[in-house]
Amino acid sequence: AQSVTQPDIHITVSEGASLELRCNYSYGATPYLFWYVQSPGQGLQLLLKYFSGDTLVQGIKGFEAEFKRSQSSFNLRKPSVHWSDAAEYFCAVNTGGFKTIFGAGTRLFVKA
Amino acid sequence: GAGVSQSPSNKVTEKGKDVELRCDPISGHTALYWYRQSLGQGLEFLIYFQGNSAPDKSGLPSDRFSAERTGGSVSTLTIQRTQQEDSAVYLCASSPLGGGNSPLHFGNGTRLTVT
Repeated sequence: AQSVTQPDIHITVSEGASLELRCNYSYGATPYLFWYVQSPGQGLQLLLKYFSGDTLVQGIKGFEAEFKRSQSSFNLRKPSVHWSDAAEYFCAVNTGGFKTIFGAGTRLFVKA
Repeated sequence: GAGVSQSPSNKVTEKGKDVELRCDPISGHTALYWYRQSLGQGLEFLIYFQGNSAPDKSGLPSDRFSAERTGGSVSTLTIQRTQQEDSAVYLCASSPLGGGNSPLHFGNGTRLTVT
């Protein structure tokens, strides 16, 4: 069965520092890959997605993610974190059907 | 345009009572999903509607859970005889097509607390 692993339950970074959130998936082929962000009391908002082509994808709010087939990874990055980026981040995969599978999430804390 | 709307935003109920949660998807979106988010957990798939097709109920955790979608638009998730373990945030999402490459648009969720 397909699965998504986000190994970090929470991460703390200083404002202005760089950020990388890890995501690994288990699937025999390349799935559709997504990153969503959830602010407190809100639903999930799509940050970016990868379907095919260029393995480095750009998203909203200055985020980017890189697909690495050899590592079955789709890590999310941001060069300089802002306090407003504090939220929970979910990696998700879809293998072509209707069901999107989500990781357990990584909560990002930003310190001044 | 308007996003996915869920009501109520919060619901507190006593154990054993029935509850109904409502989702109004984005107009024109044919696919509608319900997910459950428990504290510290990821999103657990519950049910999927696509157009007028029979829903996929494979994620419903027990027969106390049911959902319907009227006229291909508004959906209601019903939980009968609520239990404390049903306490969670219930998220509704819609997408234009429902295929694998169609991102989900989420509502803000209904936080259900069973006392």
